[in-house]
Parts: sequence; structure tokens; C-alpha cells
Amino acid sequence: QLQLEESGPGLLKSSETLSLTCTVSGASISSRGFYWGWIRQTPGKGLEWIGSMFYSGTTHYNPSLKSRVTISGDTATNQLSLKLSSLSASDTAVYYCARQGAYVYGPIHNWGQGTLVTVSS
Amino acid sequence: DIQMTQSPSTLSSSVGDRVTITCRASQNIDVWLAWYQQSPPKAPKLLIYKASILESGVPSRFSGSGSGTEFTLTINSLQPDDVATYFCHQYYTSSPAGTFGQGTKVEIK
Repeated sequence: QLQLEESGPGLLKSSETLSLTCTVSGASISSRGFYWGWIRQTPGKGLEWIGSMFYSGTTHYNPSLKSRVTISGDTATNQLSLKLSSLSASDTAVYYCARQGAYVYGPIHNWGQGTLVTVSS
Repeated sequence: DIQMTQSPSTLSSSVGDRVTITCRASQNIDVWLAWYQQSPPKAPKLLIYKASILESGVPSRFSGSGSGTEFTLTINSLQPDDVATYFCHQYYTSSPAGTFGQGTKVEIK
């Protein structure tokens, strides 16, 4: 059974860089045909697709975040990672790791439990 | 970006009622639409994808329809377990990014 578990710091300061790791079990991130992605959720803005990585390593990012985001995968550890730079309070959100299926933006078939990231000024 | 607008924002119905939620896209997205259910503090759960395909394991009382710019999620015979917030999500490949609706909160009267 596929499981995704996010980990990383829960509290960061403005201008710092967020680094999150998603540990995947029950499937390989190099499995043909799947996208693996990150989505975040805030009470104010709702759900926001951040970006995704195809099994081959090709990445796609939301244009609104593209200049600050990097998504990568480590096939040796079967982990997906997210880096978001130049943080501000508006980046405070629950961040989800996800398996998306065959399309770059979704659908999101499997979600991690989410991790709350708070950015303080 | 393609804007997704859901209505209503909140609805309250009785157990056994048929419930319909609407999602409108600001431009044509063909059938590239998914529906999710979220019961806090849990992550969203996929119910429907490609507008009308039921995800494996999802009860058959959930159904989706629509294409182009207008879509509906229907819950036949509302159950107490269905109290949650429901989100639509367009994943049209020709758009610059996937986007979500703002959510519809479903309550039991």
C-alpha cells in the first residue's frame, strides 16, 4: 500500500529556505508513467499546486512560484524533496506530498498526511 | 490561470437527501476535472477524476458529470460520513498550472 510521509522543519523565518522531504513506501518514484508532486493549503488561499516531477526527473512548477521552487527526487532513498526559497509569511501553509498519476497537474490519487510550516517575521 | 468557482460555499441537508455541488471553470477544460473530499485534519481524498470516473474504493453514491466549463458532483443519499469539505480541481494540461475551487462545506441538518 502506497504511503507518503512529509518531514521537515515546522518553523522558519522570513527570507529562509524551506526544505521538505517526502519518504515514499509501497511504490518507486521511478515507476514509469507517474508524476509526484507537492501541494499546499492555507485557510485563506485554499489549495495550491506547487509543482511536480515525472518519473524520469522532468519537473514542472506553478508559474507563481517557479522562481523560488525546486523539486527533486532521490531514487536510492525513494524520497521526493521540495525547496522553497525567500520565504515570507504568505508561505505559511500545510504542505502535502502527492502521487499524481499520469498528468502533470493531477489528479492527485494519493496524499501524504501533510506537514504544517509556519513562517515568522 | 484558470479560475475554478464552486457553489454553494456551504450546504446543509438531511441524511438521505441528494446533494449537488457545482464547479465552473473560467475557460474550457474538456473533462480534466477531479473532485476531492476533505475531513480535517486529514488530507484531501480523491473521489472522482476525468469528470466522471469514480476512484477505486469510493462509494457509488458519489458521481460526477460535466465537460467544458460546468461540472457537478452529486451525492445520492447523503450519509453522516459525508460531512466534509469538497473541492474541485482542474488539471488541464494546456493550462499553466492546476487550480482548485475554494471548497463547499457539506453539513447535516
